[in-house]
Amino acid sequence: KAGVTQTPRYLIKTRGQQVTLSCSPISGHRSVSWYQQTPGQGLQFLFEYFSETQRNKGNFPGRFSGRQFSNSRSEMNVSTLELGDSALYLCASSLLNGGTGELFFGEGSRLTVL
Amino acid sequence: DQQVKQNSPSLSVQEGRISILNCDYTNSMFDYFLWYKKYPAEGPTFLISISSIKDKNEDGRFTVFLNKSAKHLSLHIVPSQPGDSAVYFCAASEDNQGGKLIFGQGTELSVKP
Repeated sequence: KAGVTQTPRYLIKTRGQQVTLSCSPISGHRSVSWYQQTPGQGLQFLFEYFSETQRNKGNFPGRFSGRQFSNSRSEMNVSTLELGDSALYLCASSLLNGGTGELFFGEGSRLTVL
Repeated sequence: DQQVKQNSPSLSVQEGRISILNCDYTNSMFDYFLWYKKYPAEGPTFLISISSIKDKNEDGRFTVFLNKSAKHLSLHIVPSQPGDSAVYFCAASEDNQGGKLIFGQGTELSVKP
């Protein structure tokens, strides 16, 4: 069974630009969550989508947004990039309603903002 | 406000000995706790979990202990192996049905041969 796939794996942007990251969950998983990992802050929850609806949201500014498609694939977008947005962005999928609550993570998209 | 804290950024242990990683939390609504392991350039992988109705859960070399009154949990690895060297994250959620986990900042475990 294929794991969680994130693209692109690495990207470099400049301040003020925007970026879109993509995530394909494990087949059958309908919940997709996004996390930001930075050396100082650890993993921080961004948002969760289930059945194309945002189910939970973390404490990030409105520049961070996401969406989920009918095939459960998800994208997140960061607009007006700041230097502090440089981080590893991790996507995770899970099997709700009967699952163990375990999240399956992708390898992440490493964003560098110059 | 850090709701889940791992106060030790790093831990070094000799191969064959016990590794004990600690985690404290502040939110009494947390009902489900998990440990994840992360190697460089990879996403975190699930290790073991525990529900708040239990105080211990074992899976092979890994045991998680939960002390609800102290809001503390720990992960024991016995015996430790060099392949266990990784960053370990403690995480908590208010249920086991959602994708929202609150993570600690991680403890880097180094197991020396």
